[in-house]
Amino acid sequence: ELKVEQNPLFLSMQEGKNYTIYCNYSTTSDRLYWYRQDPGKSLESLFVLLSNGAVKQEGRLMASLDTKARLSTLHITAAVHDLSATYFCAVNSGNQFYFGTGTSLTVIP
Amino acid sequence: DAGVIQSPRHEVTEMGQEVTLRCKPISGHDYLFWYRQTMMRGLELLIYFNNNVPIDDSGMPEDRFSAKMPNASFSTLKIQPSEPRDSAVYFCASSPQGFSYEQYFGPGTRLTVT
Repeated sequence: ELKVEQNPLFLSMQEGKNYTIYCNYSTTSDRLYWYRQDPGKSLESLFVLLSNGAVKQEGRLMASLDTKARLSTLHITAAVHDLSATYFCAVNSGNQFYFGTGTSLTVIP
Repeated sequence: DAGVIQSPRHEVTEMGQEVTLRCKPISGHDYLFWYRQTMMRGLELLIYFNNNVPIDDSGMPEDRFSAKMPNASFSTLKIQPSEPRDSAVYFCASSPQGFSYEQYFGPGTRLTVT
């Protein structure tokens, strides 16, 4: 079974700071997804990364994929309180999707 | 579009009872996914359909779980008999054309089995 590890699991950061969330996975895949989940809410798609070297940006968030290293990053630039949420990466392998454990992000004013 | 619709939003039932969760995908989406989210196991894909046909049900935990998609606008996930360990949030998601596209998640059904 493919394993997807995220770190850190918990992240508390001040507004205006930058930080990176890491997503490592254990087997070959070239489809990587990032989702956001607010407490008690559903999941919202942020990015779909489909090839090695893919980079996508939306607002203060930027995601990248290195399939050779089996690593994706979600970089947060100049964090604001509205970014507080849990962020999940997910990997597609064959007919299955495997989600990471999630990174709970709290942005402190 | 109203997005993915799930019902009920909350369900409380007693152990041994049958539970049916319902999902209406976004119109025009060919793929429908059922997920379960728990604190212990995180998010798990249970089953997915392509054009109403079940493609992979390897995530279905056991025979007590079954899913159907009788038409393009409706799917059910049934648990019979339910057990306390089935307590979780069940999400339905749909996607226009499979794995290269984002999935749109419904609001979820919070199931509590006592």
